[in-house]
Amino acid sequence: NAGVTQTPKFQVLKTGQSMTLQCAQDMNHNSMYWYRQDPGMGLRLIYYSASEGTTDKGEVPNGYNVSRLNKREFSLRLESAAPSQTSVYFCASSEAMNSHEKLFFGSGTQLSVL
Amino acid sequence: EDKVVQSPLSLVVHEGDTVTLNCSYEVTNFRSLLWYKQEKKAPTFLFMLTSSGIEKKSGRLSSILDKKELFSILNITATQTGDSAIYLCAHRNSGNTPLVFGKGTRLSVIA
Repeated sequence: NAGVTQTPKFQVLKTGQSMTLQCAQDMNHNSMYWYRQDPGMGLRLIYYSASEGTTDKGEVPNGYNVSRLNKREFSLRLESAAPSQTSVYFCASSEAMNSHEKLFFGSGTQLSVL
Repeated sequence: EDKVVQSPLSLVVHEGDTVTLNCSYEVTNFRSLLWYKQEKKAPTFLFMLTSSGIEKKSGRLSSILDKKELFSILNITATQTGDSAIYLCAHRNSGNTPLVFGKGTRLSVIA
């Protein structure tokens, strides 16, 4: 069972470079999410997609864009990376948002911006 | 604004100890409260609580919710080094909004 797959697992960027983090889930879930995790800060929501064709801002959306490519895939793009975006990024999915269903997480992307 | 506060932020115990982790929340239209365990990588689901006073149990771990006092606790008995992890608490309200996470409690169990 693959579950939620994120790529890449590690990335180093220079300030100003751009990159896209990829996420795919094979559980036929409707909702997908991008979180970032910094030391002592827990998980903070960047963007989410309640269903295919919709995206919404979370708590910390500045400097990021997302694309819900289809039901399976939800990508996160950094257009001009900044050192403040050094973090661990987690993609997650759930069957639906307006229910009790739990989130399933990918294994994370460790991103360093120099 | 919905909020989740976990305490303590970090904790060091010896193997065999019992620990209690706390999660308090301020949320409009409460729907559920969830606990996750995060070791090296992705958080993994532990419990989901929706009703007050009903304990959820899995082996040495248990959790209970108090909707009147707006908190939940996660108990771990007879701790083992494998329990070392960050424990995350999150809530969901009844609207169409995502989970809100607390900052987590980092538990270290030493032999």
